[in-house]
Amino acid sequence: EMQLVESGGGLVQTGGSLRLSCAASGFSFSSHYMNWVRQAPGKGLEWVGRVRGIADNYATDYAASVRGRFTLSRDDSKNSVYLEIKSLRTEDTGVYYCTRDRSWDDAFDLWGQGTMVTVSS
Amino acid sequence: DIVMTQSPESLAVSLGERATISCKSSQSILHRTNYKNFLSWYQQKPGQPPRLLLFWASTRESGVPDRFSGSGSGTDFTLTISSLQAEDVAVYYCHQSYSTPQTFGQGTKVEI
Repeated sequence: EMQLVESGGGLVQTGGSLRLSCAASGFSFSSHYMNWVRQAPGKGLEWVGRVRGIADNYATDYAASVRGRFTLSRDDSKNSVYLEIKSLRTEDTGVYYCTRDRSWDDAFDLWGQGTMVTVSS
Repeated sequence: DIVMTQSPESLAVSLGERATISCKSSQSILHRTNYKNFLSWYQQKPGQPPRLLLFWASTRESGVPDRFSGSGSGTDFTLTISSLQAEDVAVYYCHQSYSTPQTFGQGTKVEI
């Protein structure tokens, strides 16, 4: 069964840091770009960023709202993707989803259950 | 950035009736190399992650019931549920992957 499992969320004070992890199983992880999408409580979906594969030198793209504070990385040997978050703000509160990106249409065809990040002042 | 605007924000439809959701992009998301619109639709039920319904604006993902259909090209797109079922109660999002940053519509809540 194809699966994405996020971990690492929790309660953090403003200005703090977190490292979210996403473990993939059941598919060829290295063949896919991987994304993070977040959702503030009661709000819509917001694309956070994407990390490409080895053929693209693991290049990353970010939403403007997180650029400079968030860092995406991946370890294909561990079938995992990571999201390092620094200088957390209250507006970073929400569920963070890891998603698989299909190469031919860039649709997100596999989602994890998400990990909750709560930033408290 | 490409802005995705969905309408309406919410709609109530009787069981068995048609539901129609509009999604407009601030610029064309039609890729000139393959003439595909990089527009996807997702369904999100409470407490669950989103689920991919349609890609390339109108191609149903495997396992998605055929009462879900998509249409449109360029900047104007539509998701139609031809005969609403109780299990279709959810929030629906459009998403463009044509350019970075990728963006989602604000969502449309569908109720009975």
